[in-house]
Amino acid sequence: AQKVTQAQTEISVVEKEDVTLDCVYETRDTTYYLFWYKQPPSGELVFLIRRNSFDEQNEISGRYSWNFQKSTSSFNFTITASQVVDSAVYFCALSERNTGNQFYFGTGTSLTVIP
Amino acid sequence: NAGVTQTPKFQVLKTGQSMTLQCAQDMNHNSMYWYRQDPGMGLRLIYYSASEGTTDKGEVPNGYNVSRLNKREFSLRLESAAPSQTSVYFCASSEALPGQSSSGANVLTFGAGSRLTVL
Repeated sequence: AQKVTQAQTEISVVEKEDVTLDCVYETRDTTYYLFWYKQPPSGELVFLIRRNSFDEQNEISGRYSWNFQKSTSSFNFTITASQVVDSAVYFCALSERNTGNQFYFGTGTSLTVIP
Repeated sequence: NAGVTQTPKFQVLKTGQSMTLQCAQDMNHNSMYWYRQDPGMGLRLIYYSASEGTTDKGEVPNGYNVSRLNKREFSLRLESAAPSQTSVYFCASSEALPGQSSSGANVLTFGAGSRLTVL
């Protein structure tokens, strides 16, 4: 079974629109961590945010915000006022304390911001 | 600070050939990982090494072997390459030891990737 599901394969938005990338996870551990990574067209993987299972506070960093809801097992990522530089593939990932800190990645959401 | 360095960046092999992907990190990280990335499949774990001297299978280990040569280096070997191993390979490292939960300890830092084509 897929531990991390990113149902949106591809999204296109026009510049300055807001966009939300969905992530749903599955785990039985009480201690776990959730991540978002960005992969721009250049191919490298860039860490964006880490959240632990005991901290459900939403996080905002500039135009980026993250909504963590344990009740729905979701960790969604919103980009406000999108820019062309936001065009990338975004991966959500889960790591569980009881499985030796293995990381499970979703299949990614490809975001295209149209100028 | 180089971070995670993997070589080569590109490689073309014929079916049946062998090769080794090299990975080195200079961050004194404990854990190291090899992932493969295929279209529509995301990143799938091949092998990982939670600490120097240990290695474990991930989700897709068949056809691969690994060596944790020392704390810095973690190599991935294809003994007899197959077209199904055409992929982009990423090495990653993490400060965390198994079960460690200290803040930020298990963020993965990735190398730039190695694109392998098997004909």
